[in-house]
Amino acid sequence: SAVISQKPSRDICQRGTSLTIQCQVDSQVTMMFWYRQQPGQSLTLIATANQGSEATYESGFVIDKFPISRPNLTFSTLTVSNMSPEDSSIYLCSVDSVGASYNEQFFGPGTRLTVL
Amino acid sequence: GQNIDQPTEMTATEGAIVQINCTYQTSGFNGLFWYQQHAGEAPTFLSYNVLDGLEEKGRFSSFLSRSKGYSYLLLKELQMKDSASYLCAKGSGYALNFGKGTSLLVTP
Repeated sequence: SAVISQKPSRDICQRGTSLTIQCQVDSQVTMMFWYRQQPGQSLTLIATANQGSEATYESGFVIDKFPISRPNLTFSTLTVSNMSPEDSSIYLCSVDSVGASYNEQFFGPGTRLTVL
Repeated sequence: GQNIDQPTEMTATEGAIVQINCTYQTSGFNGLFWYQQHAGEAPTFLSYNVLDGLEEKGRFSSFLSRSKGYSYLLLKELQMKDSASYLCAKGSGYALNFGKGTSLLVTP
C-alpha cells in the first residue's frame, strides 16, 4: 500500500483567508482524490485530481472555492479559498491502489481545519 | 444521491458477533467497500465485494447481494479495539461514495 502524508496536519485560520493543503505519496499513482469530512459526518468527495489537466469536481464543489493542482503522479494540493466557519472540516486525500484490479483507495492522515 | 444507508450506532459485547447492514442504489455500481475509522484517524480499508456472496477475512466478513442493493459487514469475536466507525462505500467509476457510517461501541 502507498504511504501518504499531508501538510499541515491541522490549522486554525481566520475567516476570509485561504489555506493550501499538500498531499505527498511515496510512489506514483494514477488517481488522487480529495475528500471532506465534516464533524460527525462521513466522507464527501470534493474532486478527482488529474495529472496534467483540470480537476474533476463533484456536484456542489467548484474550482474557484477549491482549486486543485496535480503537477506530477506523486503530489497534489487542495486550496480552500475565502474560508468561512462552514469550511471547518477534516480534508483527506486518497490514492488508488497500485497493481490491484479494483479501485481500493488509501487515505492520508487528514488535515483538520478550523475556521474562526 | 447514492442513498447509501446504514445504522447510525450499534453496541455489542466483547466476544460477541455483530452485523452492520448497508443498502445502496444499484445504478452505476462497480463494487462495495467497507472501511474502519477510529476517532481522529483516517479510514482504513477492510473489505471489497463486487460479486454476490460472502468474503471472509479473519474475524471480518462482508456479504453482497447486487440485485437487492444490500451488503453487510460481520465482525466476530469482538474486541474492545473494534470500537470505531464503520463506513460503507459504493464504488462508482473511480470514485467512492460513502454512507454516513455506523459508530460501533464494544462493551466489556
